[in-house]
Amino acid sequence: DAKTTQPNSMESNEEEPVHLPCNHSTISGTDYIHWYRQLPSQGPEYVIHGLTSNVNNRMASLAIAEDRKSSTLILHRATLRDAAVYYCILRDAGSNYKLTFGKGTLLTVNP
Amino acid sequence: DAGVTQSPTHLIKTRGQQVTLRCSPKSGHDTVSWYQQALGQGPQFIFQYYEEEERQRGNFPDRFSGHQFPNYSSELNVNALLLGDSALYLCASSPLPGKNTEAFFGQGTRLTVV
Repeated sequence: DAKTTQPNSMESNEEEPVHLPCNHSTISGTDYIHWYRQLPSQGPEYVIHGLTSNVNNRMASLAIAEDRKSSTLILHRATLRDAAVYYCILRDAGSNYKLTFGKGTLLTVNP
Repeated sequence: DAGVTQSPTHLIKTRGQQVTLRCSPKSGHDTVSWYQQALGQGPQFIFQYYEEEERQRGNFPDRFSGHQFPNYSSELNVNALLLGDSALYLCASSPLPGKNTEAFFGQGTRLTVV
């Protein structure tokens, strides 16, 4: 599985936008970029995924670089409930749901 | 919709014992995967079940085995427990393998081996 690199931790203030970066320089043409987050004492939760184009949903936006070697998860207005570990994961289009997690980015949201 | 449910939530076992963890997938999902999450680490893939067969396996010893039942629920069995098996065990379910969609996780079973 292709590898991703994320900062260990980031900090944000409540109601401000948050940009969580992910580098994946060895991404292949069939790899989708998935983001999951894990709130304290809970299982991971799906956030968003995309292939080439930027994606939006009710939780977040995903901005994918033109060369696909990096992506950014955008939380438009951080809340205290967004404090979590965020994982950037590459999944092959033919993968049978195996997710390869790294250590992720611990996001702290200050009130 | 109850989502993915796991039982028990917490468990304490002694080294050398055997343990069985249980998982009920989200309604409509027939694929179940198991993950082990050590403290401070991301989840690590153990194996995946579909149509009552193990389809994919991660880098875990044979002490880790599983089963899927006709109703799609699943069990994870760990034999000859080691202290290093202490972790959060997560179950995830998904619809139809091969489709690049989201996985739904349960809250996990916290296993402590003493």
